[in-house]
Amino acid sequence: AQTVTQSQPEMSVQEAETVTLSCTYDTSESDYYLFWYKQPPSRQMILVIRQEAYKQQNATENRFSVNFQKAAKSFSLKISDSQLGDAAMYFCAYAGGTSYGKLTFGQGTILTVHP
Amino acid sequence: ETGVTQSPTHLIKTRGQQVTLRCSSQSGHNTVSWYQQALGQGPQFIFQYYREEENGRGNFPPRFSGLQFPNYSSELNVNALELDDSALYLCASRSGGGRDTEAFFGQGTRLTVV
Repeated sequence: AQTVTQSQPEMSVQEAETVTLSCTYDTSESDYYLFWYKQPPSRQMILVIRQEAYKQQNATENRFSVNFQKAAKSFSLKISDSQLGDAAMYFCAYAGGTSYGKLTFGQGTILTVHP
Repeated sequence: ETGVTQSPTHLIKTRGQQVTLRCSSQSGHNTVSWYQQALGQGPQFIFQYYREEENGRGNFPPRFSGLQFPNYSSELNVNALELDDSALYLCASRSGGGRDTEAFFGQGTRLTVV
């Protein structure tokens, strides 16, 4: 079974600074997708960024980028120029080749942004 | 805001009762997944419906059941409620039954079992 682990229950960052959230996963599949989702207090899960395993290039979306290390099964999220609106719970998630779209989530990291 | 809406937003039920949660999928989406998120935890996959058929299920007992309608909206039914069923229930819709399309989540239903 696939597992996703986020070892940082809480992280904090000063506004305008950079922060990196960690995620590791375990799978025997070679074809899969990885995601970072943001869940603000409004509870609605929002996709931040996604990475396809067969793509070696790390995904970027504006201030958000990932460091995907396939051999190490590591998938970290870097948030640059942090903003107050980035404060939320962040979840790393996995969807495998045979998973018909099922997402396996990590435990989450609470990100606090200080002004 | 996504086009996925869930109702009700909050619900309180008594142990042993039954509950139905509803999800209206985003326009053009034919796949709906349900997740249970306990407080302070990541969401856990319950099941998924694709074109009115269940095409995947997580490790949840049979008292968790679902339905998808011809307009692709969906219901989650939970029988014989237990205290541990207290959680946020999230619905996500996507176009297509595979994993390569983006899932759009609703705002969830907070269920409290007393």
